[in-house]
Amino acid sequence: DGGITQSPKYLFRKEGQNVTLSCEQNLNHDAMYWYRQDPGQGLRLIYYSQIVNDFQKGDIAEGYSVSREKKESFPLTVTSAQKNPTAFYLCASTPQQGSGANVLTFGAGSRLTVL
Amino acid sequence: KQEVTQIPAALSVPEGENLVLNCSFTDSAIYNLQWFRQDPGKGLTSLLLIQSSQREQTSGRLNASLDKSSGRSTLYIAASQPGDSATYLCAVRTAGATNKLIFGTGTLLAVQP
Repeated sequence: DGGITQSPKYLFRKEGQNVTLSCEQNLNHDAMYWYRQDPGQGLRLIYYSQIVNDFQKGDIAEGYSVSREKKESFPLTVTSAQKNPTAFYLCASTPQQGSGANVLTFGAGSRLTVL
Repeated sequence: KQEVTQIPAALSVPEGENLVLNCSFTDSAIYNLQWFRQDPGKGLTSLLLIQSSQREQTSGRLNASLDKSSGRSTLYIAASQPGDSATYLCAVRTAGATNKLIFGTGTLLAVQP
């Protein structure tokens, strides 16, 4: 079945550590996105990538980094510079063209907790 | 700056009732609007997408309407079931913003058996 796989599902981090969240899709989608979800707030865009080897900052990119070396993969690194990293992180993808171009497909999410 | 608001934040209804969830947005220059469902601790599932030129979309017991001029969308759920219990989020793509969605904070729906 095609879809988006995020790992790990749960992650605990000590302050000062960098952690990387994995996002892999086998949908052959061109664009991929990382969102952060906090209680009582809507999803906020961290980074997005429309093609391999290119990505753009979203609304809350500070303290995060990404790479897009392969079409299928869009890992997110939460660095020690991110002051409040505890949140639920969601990866999504969409094709650039065709009937599904505007419909986001989401992964199941990764919950990061800083101890 | 586009802002998306969903009211109420939470709603509890008895099984079988028809219900309406509301979504409002401040900038009427949108490309499309989507409704999503999110189960606890899970990702989002797209329910309906309405293009800016459309007035409504239907899928099974769900009907979403769009009134761009007033900055409003509604999601109508007919004959609600306990399995409909989830958080419902709307998101708009503002015209000119490439593949960027602005999300509302969601409505938490509980359907009581």
